[in-house]
Amino acid sequence: DTEVTQTPKHLVMGMTNKKSLKCEQHMGHRAMYWYKQKAKKPPELMFVYSYEKLSINESVPSRFSPECPNSSLLNLHLHALQPEDSALYLCASSQVFFQNEQFFGPGTRLTVL
Amino acid sequence: AQTVTQSQPEMSVQEAETVTLSCTYDTSESDYYLFWYKQPPSRQMILVIRQEAYKQQNATENRFSVNFQKAAKSFSLKISDSQLGDAAMYFCAYRRSKRGAQKLVFGQGTRLTINP
Repeated sequence: DTEVTQTPKHLVMGMTNKKSLKCEQHMGHRAMYWYKQKAKKPPELMFVYSYEKLSINESVPSRFSPECPNSSLLNLHLHALQPEDSALYLCASSQVFFQNEQFFGPGTRLTVL
Repeated sequence: AQTVTQSQPEMSVQEAETVTLSCTYDTSESDYYLFWYKQPPSRQMILVIRQEAYKQQNATENRFSVNFQKAAKSFSLKISDSQLGDAAMYFCAYRRSKRGAQKLVFGQGTRLTINP
């Protein structure tokens, strides 16, 4: 299995809603990443988990709350988002050491109304 | 801080022809990794090719090859025998060689169109 899956594919939410994005991989990778990508722009790193512990937080607002419940799962909890948070959210995974290519999921297209 | 620059926002090529996408980067480190990723309209980022900075030999993957010029900090991607399925946004990316999970620094991307 060389796949990173993300659910849902599309999400529309209001500014007062609470929702979660889910990412799953079964490649035995112990590093997982959340990226945010605006239209026609490159992905921007948000968070990195290494061995289920948060290792990098790129000064992301607290309305985004990541969680890594186990080595295969990565969640991104969303609360009180703003319309400017509308974007494609990409999850990726990699080995921590060596052969460190990041494998990306298909993304969740988020629209905040 | 490391930066990656792709100076060609858009490129087009005739099917079956060869096209080269440019990428330059800035870093003070001597060891690092460079990648080319492809993002078709389906949105999924797909790794095309990778290059370790300590290797002098240019990486190749079937129709894809790179021209890595370490001194010039240049990392171009050559696509031979272009196919319609190659149409996508191409991102050049840099990663430090430091042990552990590290962020990818992306260029702004080059949109490649294949003309039939």
